Amino acid sequence: DTGVSQNPRHKITKRGQNVTFRCDPISEHNRLYWYRQTLGQGPEFLTYFQNEAQLEKSRLLSDRFSAERPKGSFSTLEIQRTEQGDSAMYLCASSSRARGGGEAFFGQGTRLTVV
Amino acid sequence: AQSVTQLDSHVSVSEGTPVLLRCNYSSSYSPSLFWYVQHPNKGLQLLLKYTSAATLVKGINGFEAEFKKSETSFHLTKPSAHMSDAAEYFCVVNPGTYKYIFGTGTRLKVLA
Repeated sequence: DTGVSQNPRHKITKRGQNVTFRCDPISEHNRLYWYRQTLGQGPEFLTYFQNEAQLEKSRLLSDRFSAERPKGSFSTLEIQRTEQGDSAMYLCASSSRARGGGEAFFGQGTRLTVV
Repeated sequence: AQSVTQLDSHVSVSEGTPVLLRCNYSSSYSPSLFWYVQHPNKGLQLLLKYTSAATLVKGINGFEAEFKKSETSFHLTKPSAHMSDAAEYFCVVNPGTYKYIFGTGTRLKVLA
């Protein structure tokens, strides 16, 4: 396993711009998650994919946010018309109930700063 | 509703002394429970997990945790703290679904 990979690691953008983040999960994992973590808080659930199907979206995920997982492999998270409140660490995780006892494996995250 | 409460936002210990990080959970189902550690500018790393086998779980770096159903607790302990243990620790519950629910974290400081 090469682990969960996220790109970019850091993104600084101006308010109102669109940004897109990529997550490459562990290859045999069919479950993929996006979380958001702000300073001093624990990660908060944003959305969940099982294979290519997006099965749940948190109310935190406003209509400016969209996530995809084409072909059940990598995933992208897009934020349109960014706002300063979107500044956070965006974490991707993957898991497989068939292996590993059910834990989620996390990437190192993408830190977004909206100026 | 499922939730996790980490009872201390900050814990300070001296190097070589025991560590206790407290976690209580609420779950309608038989949960899986995890502790993750996050070092500055690093990703979340799994320390240990409880998945309905032995109630005393041993993890990496000398950490262990005990699942106590009657107290709905899953406290993390280590007999002797090391400077490298300084980090943020998260207690996480998976209530039998796909979702992982995080506590707000405990920042561990280790004093020389």
